[in-house]
Amino acid sequence: GAVVSQHPSWVICKSGTSVKIECRSLDFQATTMFWYRQFPKQSLMLMATSNEGSKATYEQGVEKDKFLINHASLTLSTLTVTSAHPEDSSFYICSARKGNEKLFFGSGTQLSVL
Amino acid sequence: EDQVTQSPEALRLQEGESSSLNCSYTVSGLRGLFWYRQDPGKGPEFLFTLYSAGEEKEKERLKATLTKKESFLHITAPKPEDSATYLCAVQAVNTDKLIFGTGTRLQVFP
Repeated sequence: GAVVSQHPSWVICKSGTSVKIECRSLDFQATTMFWYRQFPKQSLMLMATSNEGSKATYEQGVEKDKFLINHASLTLSTLTVTSAHPEDSSFYICSARKGNEKLFFGSGTQLSVL
Repeated sequence: EDQVTQSPEALRLQEGESSSLNCSYTVSGLRGLFWYRQDPGKGPEFLFTLYSAGEEKEKERLKATLTKKESFLHITAPKPEDSATYLCAVQAVNTDKLIFGTGTRLQVFP
């Protein structure tokens, strides 16, 4: 199957700082990538859909100014959590669509904001 | 509103004890139903895609089936390494989004 690499795997930061998470499709080009958030023992909640070369589409209730998404190339999307606060602590997962096929997921990033 | 409900929330099985996980869904036109496996602290790993009622797919000890209202993931003679959370998701027509259920946490004991 296709490979989606997500970095970092975990990050601890101080409240008020910004954190960038990268999502790369290693062996295919992804015109569309998705960012999810997952709380313990809960399901994946879609935050935004990222299309290469255009602005991301955010789900209702997700602050676009807080969660900045950039999809600058067909193999890279980034999520920046700006001015992070403890309530932003969560597991963030990206996924990429290969053509019209199934989604492939990254390994996730555990964010802890102190 | 598109919705996915999985049951049970948690399932404990003895090694070799077969069982089924349920995924009930409502969607405005089904484009596809997906099953994923997720290990703790990891991203979901793709298992199956089902597109139409009556379709079945198998992989090792797992078999997924689909009706117009629900999907089942049958686990035959499970092993401890099958322990994981199994997620179901649906994709409606004319959308790229996947709507996930809350998952079934499966534990298989030797």
